[in-house]
Amino acid sequence: AQKVTQAQTEISVVEKEDVTLDCVYETRDTTYYLFWYKQPPSGELVFLIRRNSFDEQNEISGRYSWNFQKSTSSFNFTITASQVVDSAVYFCALGSYNFNKFYFGSGTKLNVKP
Amino acid sequence: NAGVTQTPKFRVLKTGQSMTLLCAQDMNHEYMYWYRQDPGMGLRLIHYSVGEGTTAKGEVPDGYNVSRLKKQNFLLGLESAAPSQTSVYFCASSYSLEGRWNQPQHFGDGTRLSIL
Repeated sequence: AQKVTQAQTEISVVEKEDVTLDCVYETRDTTYYLFWYKQPPSGELVFLIRRNSFDEQNEISGRYSWNFQKSTSSFNFTITASQVVDSAVYFCALGSYNFNKFYFGSGTKLNVKP
Repeated sequence: NAGVTQTPKFRVLKTGQSMTLLCAQDMNHEYMYWYRQDPGMGLRLIHYSVGEGTTAKGEVPDGYNVSRLKKQNFLLGLESAAPSQTSVYFCASSYSLEGRWNQPQHFGDGTRLSIL
């Protein structure tokens, strides 16, 4: 089965706190791709990052960082020193090459309060 | 450069009516997708297309039809609308480098559809 689980439905933090959004995926495929998208209150979906199954290097982009661990089937997203503008729904997604499937998780709503 | 454009942005239908949602992209992308977004369920893939003249079913295809007569356009049709199809619909497109599902998808702004 192909599946993406974002167990945190909603998280609230105070500005400048660090926050980690969890993503656990399930796939039998050996070649797959993981994504994070952001959906701010305005509603559009914005691509943040892509990882393929052969690249377990963690990545940092400014205040954003991603931790990909195949051993635990997780692709977690950390925002350091959160800001109000980070308030959005964040989606993790899985693309399965051989099973030809693509799934989004149910999303985590992040509220960053001033 | 408009990216992905969806029309209309809002629509209210009565049960049993039909309508077509239009998606247009100007990035010369091969792949195009239609999703629906419902509260607590994320985005679910309805249908997708890997090129002009081709379409395929996604996770929740029932009650919908699609067509890709031109590379830049992907149409989503509801033949007989039902209240369960009340949702926000997103279109997306992407390149097709290195195979399937590995490219970032560029999304339109969504169409809010209500079926009464």
